[in-house]
Amino acid sequence: KNQVEQSPQSLIILEGKNCTLQCNYTVSPFSNLRWYKQDTGRGPVSLTIMTFSENTKSNGRYTATLDADTKQSSLHITASQLSDSASYICVVSADSRGKLQFGAGTQVVVTP
Amino acid sequence: DAGVIQSPRHEVTEMGQEVTLRCKPISGHDYLFWYRQTMMRGLELLIYFNNNVPIDDSGMPEDRFSAKMPNASFSTLKIQPSEPRDSAVYFCASSSWGGLAGYNEQFFGPGTRLTVL
Repeated sequence: KNQVEQSPQSLIILEGKNCTLQCNYTVSPFSNLRWYKQDTGRGPVSLTIMTFSENTKSNGRYTATLDADTKQSSLHITASQLSDSASYICVVSADSRGKLQFGAGTQVVVTP
Repeated sequence: DAGVIQSPRHEVTEMGQEVTLRCKPISGHDYLFWYRQTMMRGLELLIYFNNNVPIDDSGMPEDRFSAKMPNASFSTLKIQPSEPRDSAVYFCASSSWGGLAGYNEQFFGPGTRLTVL
């Protein structure tokens, strides 16, 4: 059973609108949670990394939140742009140095 | 820095053939990771190295898969013999210890798309 569950699987949003992606995890112990953006045909690129003590982190129009008590995270995209069309992957690490547990990703399509 | 470099970018081979994928990590990074990505299973860690030494290979699917890191600037992932179910995108990533940050950020290469006929 995957220890990192993401929802929704996919979503379509209009350019300029906001959206929020969800991530629930059961990975334990917990070291950090990451959100990656993966454009089609390319490798994942890190957006945010949060440790246990952090509950929010922003990277431009991307804002990630973390509730380590409920083991939930969200990624909020503000004022979406066409270039935001990609797969967004939630990744949880129990080990600060190595192994990552990947979610299946949420496919976001931004339409004009 | 050029980032993580992988070659080839695309590989098409026939079942039973040997396949070798190559990776050059970012200079100065002491961790190197090999991942496989498929539609069905998403991203999976195959193996990772620290200072050229394999630390965890529990994700390597079978004995047909092997990985080496002869020096700090080069690693290979070999599949022998290859099978159609090995068709996937293989990513290499590298990182260095983040110290006080408490984590290491991994930087991914562009991937090698492998098709085994």
